[in-house]
Parts: sequence; C-alpha cells; structure tokens
Amino acid sequence: GQNIDQPTEMTATEGAIVQINCTYQTSGFNGLFWYQQHAGEAPTFLSYNVLDGLEEKGRFSSFLSRSKGYSYLLLKELQMKDSASYLCAVRVPIYNQGGKLIFGQGTELSVKP
Amino acid sequence: EAQVTQNPRYLITVTGKKLTVTCSQNMNHEYMSWYRQDPGLGLRQIYYSMNVEVTDKGDVPEGYKVSRKEKRNFPLILESPSPNQTSLYFCASSPPTRTYEQYFGPGTRLTVT
Repeated sequence: GQNIDQPTEMTATEGAIVQINCTYQTSGFNGLFWYQQHAGEAPTFLSYNVLDGLEEKGRFSSFLSRSKGYSYLLLKELQMKDSASYLCAVRVPIYNQGGKLIFGQGTELSVKP
Repeated sequence: EAQVTQNPRYLITVTGKKLTVTCSQNMNHEYMSWYRQDPGLGLRQIYYSMNVEVTDKGDVPEGYKVSRKEKRNFPLILESPSPNQTSLYFCASSPPTRTYEQYFGPGTRLTVT
C-alpha cells in the first residue's frame, strides 16, 4: 500500500522558522514534492526532491532522505501569508502513466503575529 | 496566460441528477487528471488521461466517468450523484515527462443533497 504521513496542523510565529515533516512508505519512489494550498484555492507547486539532500529556494527549503523515507519542508522568516496547508506528495512509478502522485493529507500551518 | 479552468466553481445539486464539471487547459498538455479533496484524506486521484481517447481509473473512480475527445478538455461526469460525492474537485494537467509539475484548476466545490 501507499502511506504518507504528515502532522495535521502546526502553529508558528511570524519571523520564525518552522519545519514540516513528512514520512512515506510507497511501492516505488520517483521523487517527493511539496505543494502549498491556501484555503479554498488550488495547490501550487513549491519544491521537488529526487536525490538525497537539501534543495533551497528562497525562504523555502526541502530535504529528502530516501533510506529513511523522510522529507521535511523548512520555511524561514515566516510571514502571515505563509498560513496555508502544505501537501507532501510522492511520485510512484505506474507502468502506463509514467508516474503518479500520491498525496499526504496536508499540514495546516497557522502563522501568528 | 497558461491556465486550467473549471466550471462551475460551485454547485449544489440533488441526489441522482446528472451533472458535468468541465475542465479545459491551454498549455497543450497531454496528461490530465481529476482529484477530489476531502478533510483528513488529502487529494485522491479519480481518473486520468494520458492523451486524447486514452483514459484510465485512478484510486477512487466509482460513480464517475470521464471523456477525452479533445486534448484541451477533460470533463468529469457524475451520472447519478450521491451525497458521498460532496467534495472539492480539482482538475490538473501536466507535460507527459513531468507529471509532478501539475497545474491545478481553481477547484469545484460540489454539494449533493
């Protein structure tokens, strides 16, 4: 089966740093993705990791350890607009699709002043 | 502007009344898919299409139909909606070799009473 776990909700303070963890157990692995989704809106792509290590993109960084089935999204210098749901997704190989995204349930992040 | 559009954005209907949610993309993407999003369950794939006239079931296809007669359009059909199909629906498209790079539509909030 496919299983992706992330905390349901987190709270952090404006200007701080927050780390959102994601663990996965999937039948195959072709990359891990993070999406941001504001309430009532569509998810938007944030980052992609396929090799172990840290990928940095501005205030956002994402880390992957394939041997541990573990990733985290690090958000620095938090802003109020970062309040959103953060979705962890794993791409698993599917023979006739090339690859398919399996999503976790999302982590609702609240940024407080 | 590159985009995925969905209509309607909001719909309240009654059990058993057939409905269609349209999805259209202007990026010439081969790959399109439909997801539903429910609290605590994350995004789950309903159907996907690799190209015109090529469609297949995702993880939760029961009660849904799709068609892909043109590259840009991928309508979702509920022949006989039931209350358990009340959900937030997203259409997405992506280039065939980068299925992780999903472009999501704005979402359709469906309520079946």
